[in-house]
Amino acid sequence: AQKVTQAQTEISVVEKEDVTLDCVYETRDTTYYLFWYKQPPSGELVFLIRRNSFDEQNEISGRYSWNFQKSTSSFNFTITASQVVDSAVYFCALSDLNRDDKIIFGKGTRLHILP
Amino acid sequence: DSGVTQTPKHLITATGQRVTLRCSPRSGDLSVYWYQQSLDQGLQFLIQYYNGEERAKGNILERFSAQQFPDLHSELNLSSLELGDSALYFCASSGVGGGDPDTQYFGPGTRLTVL
Repeated sequence: AQKVTQAQTEISVVEKEDVTLDCVYETRDTTYYLFWYKQPPSGELVFLIRRNSFDEQNEISGRYSWNFQKSTSSFNFTITASQVVDSAVYFCALSDLNRDDKIIFGKGTRLHILP
Repeated sequence: DSGVTQTPKHLITATGQRVTLRCSPRSGDLSVYWYQQSLDQGLQFLIQYYNGEERAKGNILERFSAQQFPDLHSELNLSSLELGDSALYFCASSGVGGGDPDTQYFGPGTRLTVL
C-alpha cells in the first residue's frame, strides 16, 4: 500500500535558521512522483515541486531545496535562512505512475517561523 | 493570482441536498484536479481530468461526480450531502498554459458547509 509519513506535526524555528521537513514514503512501485505543497495561513494551496522517481538529483530553488533518497524512501525539504513568510503547513505527497495516478498526501507539517 | 477561478467561494446547504462546484482553469491548461480538505480526512485528491477525459481517480465518493467540458472548465457535483462533506474543495490546473507544464496552479477554493 502507498503511504506518506510526515512525522513532524509542528516545528518552530527562529527566523534565519535553516529547517528541514521530513517526508518518508512507502510504495511497491518503481515509478512514481513525489510532491511538496505549501498552505500559508491564508488558506490557499501552493504547488512547490514534483519529482520523478527516476531523477534522484537534488533540487534547489532559491532558499528551498529538496533531497530525494530512494535508499531511505525519503524526500526531505529544507528551507535555508527561513523567513516569517515561510510559516505555513507543508504537505508531502506521492503519486504512482503505473497504477492509478492517484495522489496520496501526508498529514502535513505546520511550520512556525518566529521573528 | 494563479489564473484559476472557483465559484462559489462559500456554499452553505443542508444534508441531503445537491451542489455543483465550478472550476475554470488557467487559459490553455488541459488538466484539472479536484482536492478536498477537511478536518477529519486532511487533504485528499479526488479526481483529475485531462482534456475532457478522466485521468486519475482518488478517494472520490460515489455520491460525487465530476466532468470537464469542451471549454475545459470543470464541475464537481456533490449529492446526498452529509455533514462530513463539509470541507474546502480546491481545484488546480496544469498543462500548456505557460510556465512549467508540471506545475499545478490552485484556485482559491470553495468552502462547503453542510448543516
